[in-house]
Amino acid sequence: AQSVTQLDSQVPVFEEAPVELRCNYSSSVSVYLFWYVQYPNQGLQLLLKYLSGSTLVKGINGFEAEFNKSQTSFHLRKPSVHISDTAEYFCAVSGVRNQGGKLIFGQGTELSVKP
Amino acid sequence: ETGVTQTPRHLVMGMTNKKSLKCEQHLGHNAMYWYKQSAKKPLELMFVYNFKEQTENNSVPSRFSPECPNSSHLFLHLHTLQPEDSALYLCASSQFGGGAEQYFGPGTRLTVT
Repeated sequence: AQSVTQLDSQVPVFEEAPVELRCNYSSSVSVYLFWYVQYPNQGLQLLLKYLSGSTLVKGINGFEAEFNKSQTSFHLRKPSVHISDTAEYFCAVSGVRNQGGKLIFGQGTELSVKP
Repeated sequence: ETGVTQTPRHLVMGMTNKKSLKCEQHLGHNAMYWYKQSAKKPLELMFVYNFKEQTENNSVPSRFSPECPNSSHLFLHLHTLQPEDSALYLCASSQFGGGAEQYFGPGTRLTVT
């Protein structure tokens, strides 16, 4: 079984500042890792995912995340945020052997970008 | 229509009503999902269908009844709901297989009075 912990429920930041949203996971098997974003009144949209290979993954909208197996983390970063990045961000994990697509989500982190 | 669509977008129902939520995907996927999103809680996976067959029921109460007539359509039939069932219900689809990206619809905001 897998679990995901997003360490911050809310992250306020000023425009053009860097941001890091933290995600830790727990699993007894190898995992795939995902970050999704949810804008107000919308469904979730994939930002990026780690399946294998390079531990630094680049996604859409200038976001990137680094898989750290020893620390069981998959933190999301952006060097300079915009007002339009204000949204809720979800980290999710799936066991590699799970072919049925079951995703386990974290509680979400609300990113609030202020001018 | 493109992507994943859900209807209705908003639904208010009494505890004795029967209603259905509809999801349609136009992506050629063969897996579909229902999630419940409540305030301040992680997304809860409710049901998974792969190739029209239910492969996951995450201990969901029987007052929620899913139906998947084909790979493009997914329904969630609701009856005798409780106020705590008020939430955003999200549908998603993906290709079958580990690591596949799930594409989400905009959700149905359900209020049970």
